[in-house]
Amino acid sequence: KAGVTQTPRYLIKTRGQQVTLSCSPISGHRSVSWYQQTPGQGLQFLFEYFSETQRNKGNFPGRFSGRQFSNSRSEMNVSTLELGDSALYLCASRTSVATYTNTEAFFGQGTRLTVV
Amino acid sequence: AQSVTQLGSHVSVSEGALVLLRCNYSSSVPPYLFWYVQYPNQGLQLLLKYTTGATLVKGINGFEAEFKKSETSFHLTKPSAHMSDAAEYFCAVSFSSGNTPLVFGKGTRLSVIA
Repeated sequence: KAGVTQTPRYLIKTRGQQVTLSCSPISGHRSVSWYQQTPGQGLQFLFEYFSETQRNKGNFPGRFSGRQFSNSRSEMNVSTLELGDSALYLCASRTSVATYTNTEAFFGQGTRLTVV
Repeated sequence: AQSVTQLGSHVSVSEGALVLLRCNYSSSVPPYLFWYVQYPNQGLQLLLKYTTGATLVKGINGFEAEFKKSETSFHLTKPSAHMSDAAEYFCAVSFSSGNTPLVFGKGTRLSVIA
């Protein structure tokens, strides 16, 4: 069974540009969450999608957006990039539909975004 | 507010020594608890999880954790550290209220000295 796949693995963008990251969850997983990981801040929740609907959203500016397709694949977009957006962006998928759950989240290897 | 606290951003142990990584959470309702490990340039991998029942949970690679409700803690231990254990460890919590699927601690980087 294939794991969570994130593309691309590495990305370098210039300030002011926009970027789109992709995540393919494990087959059968309908919940997809995105996290931003930076040194010192740990993992910060961006948003979660389930059945093509954004179910939860973290405390990030509107420049960060996402969507989920009917095959559960998800994309996140960051517009007007800032230097502070440089981070590892992680995607996780789960089988559970509940927020309060003991179901394991499976993570992709992440996309390392560098903004210059 | 619901939160997860990992004491110590960096822990260093000698090979063969006990590993103890601390995690505390704030919640009046016992949550579901997880420990994840992250190796350099990799995603997160589940080490173990606590759901209900036995408070001592065994995970992969010889790690275990004990849930203590009275102390709202879920500390991770391993009796004897190995060089391959060097990584970053994250405690994660699924709370009964709130909208975030998993709330993570800031992580503890474990170094193992030969």
